Amino acid sequence: NAGVTQTPKFQVLKTGQSMTLQCAQDMNHNSMYWYRQDPGMGLRLIYYSASEGTTDKGEVPNGYNVSRLNKREFSLRLESAAPSQTSVYFCASRGDRGMKNTEAFFGQGTRLTVV
Amino acid sequence: DAKTTQPPSMDCAEGRAANLPCNHSTISGNEYVYWYRQIHSQGPQYIIHGLKNNETNEMASLIITEDRKSSTLILPHATLRDTAVYYCIVRVSGNYGQNFVFGPGTRLSVLP
Repeated sequence: NAGVTQTPKFQVLKTGQSMTLQCAQDMNHNSMYWYRQDPGMGLRLIYYSASEGTTDKGEVPNGYNVSRLNKREFSLRLESAAPSQTSVYFCASRGDRGMKNTEAFFGQGTRLTVV
Repeated sequence: DAKTTQPPSMDCAEGRAANLPCNHSTISGNEYVYWYRQIHSQGPQYIIHGLKNNETNEMASLIITEDRKSSTLILPHATLRDTAVYYCIVRVSGNYGQNFVFGPGTRLSVLP
């Protein structure tokens, strides 16, 4: 049982390049999230998906797109990376009401640097 | 959306109890209080959550005031490995669905 798995763990991009951050969970959770965390700050929600086939914007969605490929996978895409997107990105999934655990489980993060 | 307020930092001596406060004065009746921690930029780790009753698990205790406007996370015997940023979160319902809103948290330093 791996929990929430993010790939890659580290990435350096040049300004204007695109890339996709991958996230997969094996806990059969409906809800999945993407956050970013800048130095010394809390996590800010970028996008979330309450269930397969649905996605919604969070606090800081500009410059990002997401895809809920299936129940397990939720990807985050940067179409044209900017230095302001240098951050640590966390994916999370959460148990739903009626499940034994409703807490959120987080991946280990992707450290992205845009130069 | 209910917001939380936490002190930016706290120190605690190793082996002593660490008491981390959180204010959530605008919490709604059906919103839970969650606590997470983040050790050295790893992914946040769930600690405990509660609605209105005090809760205890193998990691910590959660004390919620009767009016639910504040809570305290208690680590009964803090160790050096408990040094982390601790986040108090109120679960938001509504347009954001089952969202979590993370603030800057409290940086707990456990000192030898």
